Amino acid sequence: ILNVEQSPQSLHVQEGDSTNFTCSFPSSNFYALHWYRWETAKSPEALFVMTLNGDEKKKGRISATLNTKEGYSYLYIKGSQPEDSATYLCASGAETGRRALTFGSGTRLQVQP
Amino acid sequence: GAGVSQSPRYKVAKRGQDVALRCDPISGHVSLFWYQQALGQGPEFLTYFQNEAQLDKSGLPSDRFFAERPEGSVSTLKIQRTQQEDSAVYLCASSLGTGLSTDTQYFGPGTRLTVL
Repeated sequence: ILNVEQSPQSLHVQEGDSTNFTCSFPSSNFYALHWYRWETAKSPEALFVMTLNGDEKKKGRISATLNTKEGYSYLYIKGSQPEDSATYLCASGAETGRRALTFGSGTRLQVQP
Repeated sequence: GAGVSQSPRYKVAKRGQDVALRCDPISGHVSLFWYQQALGQGPEFLTYFQNEAQLDKSGLPSDRFFAERPEGSVSTLKIQRTQQEDSAVYLCASSLGTGLSTDTQYFGPGTRLTVL
């Protein structure tokens, strides 16, 4: 079983601030790293899937990087907006064994207007 | 197209009651997952189906939990004799392929179960 950890647990920023979160995971048996955004009362929304060391993905103002050798991923939000307020979950998938993802407990972001 | 839907969205049960939670995956998706999210935790894997076959049920916490997907589409998670520790959000996810960890899983909004 993989242990996935996220930090910080929660974050309050002002509109326009840039911010970043960390996801750490065991690097052995790593296969894929997923980021999701989960707004209250909605379904978790897939942001990125990354597999290769050094991978960088971008979607609008949100970007993510992956370091599989040291077992971490960063999610960056540039110029935070109130609509970015959500819980951001990362999840790791193993190369072998069960297909399920192992999730961290999330970073809850609140952006104040 | 329609996403993953789950019903009911909220369920309150008295301890000892049986409950059934429904998941409608995206049409044509082969893989279906159930996860349980306790308060303050991330989602934790319960079980996985590939079409109608339940290939992994290693995450089911006890024999009170039972899941089925008889025709390879809609799935039901049943909890018998509910206990307070079963209170959680139950998430369903589907993916197009055979559930490789590189496949994007599409989630429903979850069912929040409260056991009194």
